[in-house]
Amino acid sequence: GQQLNQSPQSMFIQEGEDVSMNCTSSSIFNTWLWYKQEPGEGPVLLIALYKAGELTSNGRLTAQFGITRKDSFLNISASIPSDVGIYFCAGYMEYGNKLVFGAGTILRVKS
Amino acid sequence: EAGVTQSPTHLIKTRGQQATLRCSPISGHTSVYWYQQALGLGLQFLLWYDEGEERNRGNFPPRFSGRQFPNYSSELNVNALELEDSALYLCASSYSGTETYGYTFGSGTRLTVV
Repeated sequence: GQQLNQSPQSMFIQEGEDVSMNCTSSSIFNTWLWYKQEPGEGPVLLIALYKAGELTSNGRLTAQFGITRKDSFLNISASIPSDVGIYFCAGYMEYGNKLVFGAGTILRVKS
Repeated sequence: EAGVTQSPTHLIKTRGQQATLRCSPISGHTSVYWYQQALGLGLQFLLWYDEGEERNRGNFPPRFSGRQFPNYSSELNVNALELEDSALYLCASSYSGTETYGYTFGSGTRLTVV
């Protein structure tokens, strides 16, 4: 079925470093969402994007909706240990009213 | 406000058995979604219920089924369990018509098939 290509698969970074991850698709989405999942928990919504070219921030997190509507980026500045988790991108498909998720980026931070 | 609650937290079944997973949405939410999260595969869409009706299902065999009750809680049934059904099953809910704002997920049920 529909799949989003999310990269990188995993990252192991030093505390204080900036992080970038992205998601691409062969399909156009009108909504892009970014979620974070911590161990033993369900994904939690971080940022939602609704317009091509939109840039939205949530604290140290910044996400962008690609101009082509086929990609999105998430940046985390000055990473801290609690940023550890799996980050998922998701695109909303009006047909079928469902979210399509990427495979996730596993983020590990060493202090 | 209570979040999305799922039960049980963990479930161990033998191949060929049936599993029943339960989900209670956030109060006022009428849409319930089920996703399967297998290791390394992200979240795969299973089922969407709204107002008691199945509205859409993902690319899963018919032995994955469910229902939504009048109080909007939902049940996922997996028949004739196979080893590859082992995964975290996540339930999410939303107000009908607000899906573009994202869902609220529960913590999931970890199903292990041995």
